[in-house]
Amino acid sequence: EIVMTQSPESLAVSLGETATINCKPSQSVFYNAKNKNYLAWYQQRPGQPPKLLVYWASTRESGVPDRFTGSGSGTDFTLTISSLQAEDVALYYCQQYYSTPYTFGQGTNLEIK
Amino acid sequence: QVVLVQSGAEVKMPGASLRMSCMTSGYSFTDYFLHWLRKAPGHGLEWLGLINPRSGTTTYAQKLEGRVTLTRDASSATVYLHVSSLKSGDTAVYYCAREGRDGDYKYWGQGTLVTVSA
Repeated sequence: EIVMTQSPESLAVSLGETATINCKPSQSVFYNAKNKNYLAWYQQRPGQPPKLLVYWASTRESGVPDRFTGSGSGTDFTLTISSLQAEDVALYYCQQYYSTPYTFGQGTNLEIK
Repeated sequence: QVVLVQSGAEVKMPGASLRMSCMTSGYSFTDYFLHWLRKAPGHGLEWLGLINPRSGTTTYAQKLEGRVTLTRDASSATVYLHVSSLKSGDTAVYYCAREGRDGDYKYWGQGTLVTVSA
């Protein structure tokens, strides 16, 4: 099983500033045959299912603001949220879908400072 | 548009069994794998298993293997999650989710709250 280590557990950032969340899989999630990293990022607000933000580590899902940027490869990934807005307050998860069981980070709780 | 609608909340006694449903619409049912996940209080998201709606082939999380069964009914484009021998630790919100491409989850059901309590 690939263990996903996500940090920090919680984060407080001022409106308009940048939030950075890190995710480190215990083994590489780069799929050589497709030249892609099998890693996704989700946002979850209370009472709602998770919402897909980024897939293949850096491809933004349709309709997601360009303030959300995924980067990284192999075993080191980052989600950057720039120009933080009040609506960005949520729980954020990384997920690997390289191999089953698909696994998630423990989550990062993003708040406004 | 793609929609996944899950069955309603359940309250069960320890040791009981549970079946919940996820009805899909808006796409060809057999073209995408469907997954089940859960989020227990104070815990992160946990993957439970997946089903290939075309063949019925399943893969389960080893932690729950033996207590979880996934089935599908192509005539109603519905997948089912069956959990047996329920424990208090199974208390969670359960989600069905459809793959977007290779295992990322673009579409989610609304979630089903399951409470296991004596």
